[in-house]
Amino acid sequence: NAGVMQNPRHLVRRRGQEARLRCSPMKGHSHVYWYRQLPEEGLKFMVYLQKENIIDESGMPKERFSAEFPKEGPSILRIQQVVRGDSAAYFCASSPDYTNEQFFGPGTRLTVL
Amino acid sequence: DAKTTQPNSMESNEEEPVHLPCNHSTISGTDYIHWYRQLPSQGPEYVIHGLTSNVNNRMASLAIAEDRKSSTLILHRATLRDAAVYYCILINNAGNMLTFGGGTRLMVKP
Repeated sequence: NAGVMQNPRHLVRRRGQEARLRCSPMKGHSHVYWYRQLPEEGLKFMVYLQKENIIDESGMPKERFSAEFPKEGPSILRIQQVVRGDSAAYFCASSPDYTNEQFFGPGTRLTVL
Repeated sequence: DAKTTQPNSMESNEEEPVHLPCNHSTISGTDYIHWYRQLPSQGPEYVIHGLTSNVNNRMASLAIAEDRKSSTLILHRATLRDAAVYYCILINNAGNMLTFGGGTRLMVKP
């Protein structure tokens, strides 16, 4: 059973461009979480999704950030018009339900030039 | 979720036991105590969790105080691969997101 997969592992964007980060949860997992880790800081929750539904987006910045988890395919975290402050490691986690342990992917390291 | 307090860093010698403390004096009756760790340049990894009783698994043991206001993660024989940041996190029974604090950076000396 493959673990949580994230791609790309490294992403470089210039200011103003869009960044799309993908997360494929473990097989059988319908709950997906996105976290952000700024340089030298701890992880911060961003959004919690189930298939086709956003359950909790209390940690998402109000502008430029959006997330989806369609019926088919990976979960996508989309950042429009990136700025230097968006440079961070973005981790995705999945679980079979909301009470279980979360399995994390290797992360996508976004660098904004 | 209630707050946890952990030492910023700890050191251990290889092959010796390590006791990582966590204080959670405002824990509620429905909060589970979870431990995750993050190795350098990797995503966090689940270690163990418990509610009231002590727990053991292949990675570690979790000792929970009788009043549940503190807990200790025990690595029975530290290896160099155990060098990581260890996070103690409280999750209530209806919780979903993980709230990471600063964690404890464990350094293991050969």
